[in-house]
Amino acid sequence: EADIYQTPRYLVIGTGKKITLECSQTMGHDKMYWYQQDPGMELHLIHYSYGVNSTEKGDLSSESTVSRIRTEHFPLTLESARPSHTSQYLCASSEYKGAQETQYFGPGTRLLVL
Amino acid sequence: AQSVAQPEDQVNVAEGNPLTVKCTYSVSGNPYLFWYVQYPNRGLQFLLKYITGDNLVKGSYGFEAEFNKSQTSFHLKKPSALVSDSALYFCAVRDKGYSTLTFGKGTMLLVSP
Repeated sequence: EADIYQTPRYLVIGTGKKITLECSQTMGHDKMYWYQQDPGMELHLIHYSYGVNSTEKGDLSSESTVSRIRTEHFPLTLESARPSHTSQYLCASSEYKGAQETQYFGPGTRLLVL
Repeated sequence: AQSVAQPEDQVNVAEGNPLTVKCTYSVSGNPYLFWYVQYPNRGLQFLLKYITGDNLVKGSYGFEAEFNKSQTSFHLKKPSALVSDSALYFCAVRDKGYSTLTFGKGTMLLVSP
């Protein structure tokens, strides 16, 4: 498996709380991604980054924000969590090789907002 | 635009039998195609990819996929299924001009003993 880590693995939190989901990779990959996935369902890209100081919005509109200050670290923040944010969040990274690049995924963070 | 379709929500197969999980795609240029597998409460694991060349691509855990340009398909296959192959399988495509992958909705594979 790829060396990409996500913490926490599981999080239960109340409405209105600010949360940060951590993602880090030790492969030196330039590109990193955040996906949202309801259990057993398709993936939706919410953010991605080409490298340090680069962030882009994905296909699915999201109230979350991301930052990329270091190559290995790509945290996702929800300023005010709501029950509609309950989902699984998957982080991925890839070495930039154009269209043939392969994405490698972390284990995911399962978020429950009460 | 790029898109991918997995027409089956679920595939059932008996252990030892061959399995096929279907995937069709739509791109404007040459496709780059990927298969991933997801086990319960886990992230996605890369299985194999087609970039160019031989239409039959071999990947991890005995899986292979056949690229068919005329049918715009990239079906995942395995000659003999194992119960441990039961998981959610995702096909993904990237067109040459795109910076991101588009994933299919996933197909649940259930292998019975």
